[in-house]
Amino acid sequence: GAVVSQHPSWVICKSGTSVKIECRSLDFQATTMFWYRQFPKQSLMLMATSNEGSKATYEQGVEKDKFLINHASLTLSTLTVTSAHPEDSSFYICSARDMASGQETQYFGPGTRLLVL
Amino acid sequence: SQQGEEDPQALSIQEGENATMNCSYKTSINNLQWYRQNSGRGLVHLILIRSNEREKHSGRLRVTLDTSKKSSSLLITASRAADTASYFCATDAGTGFQKLVFGTGTRLLVSP
Repeated sequence: GAVVSQHPSWVICKSGTSVKIECRSLDFQATTMFWYRQFPKQSLMLMATSNEGSKATYEQGVEKDKFLINHASLTLSTLTVTSAHPEDSSFYICSARDMASGQETQYFGPGTRLLVL
Repeated sequence: SQQGEEDPQALSIQEGENATMNCSYKTSINNLQWYRQNSGRGLVHLILIRSNEREKHSGRLRVTLDTSKKSSSLLITASRAADTASYFCATDAGTGFQKLVFGTGTRLLVSP
């Protein structure tokens, strides 16, 4: 099946620093990728939709200047958490759809756990 | 919030028993999907059911969909300890962008 990877799998950083998370589709092309955030014992909340070659579409309440998304190629999207604060600590998960297959399934990455001290 | 509701929030059963989880959603949908998440890991896609379908099977999984009630259920038969995980339903409203709205999730514990 289609594989989506994320890097890093976990990161610890100091408050005020920026953190970049990569999401890659390894064996398929994804014109659209999605970024989710998940707090402990809660569900996934969609943050933004990342479209290759264009600006991301952010969900209501998500600050686009704080969560920078770049989808520069059909296999890579990046999420940068700028000036991270402890409240940004969370589990960030990306997903991608295999456009060529025509299937509606989204494939999820393994997630990145961010801890901001 | 557009988020769907799932019940029960937590379910504890013995191996061999069946587990049923329910999902309710708020808007009209194109399809509904069920995912499994092991603790601290990514999501694994289990099954997708379209709005014009009422029931679907995949191995030990059985999913039903009632669009008039805006609800779905996931049945896992003959459960195993390895089925221990959180289960989420997710709806695609068919906006063309494939956005998924996730339910609150059910934490399933299957004891040997």
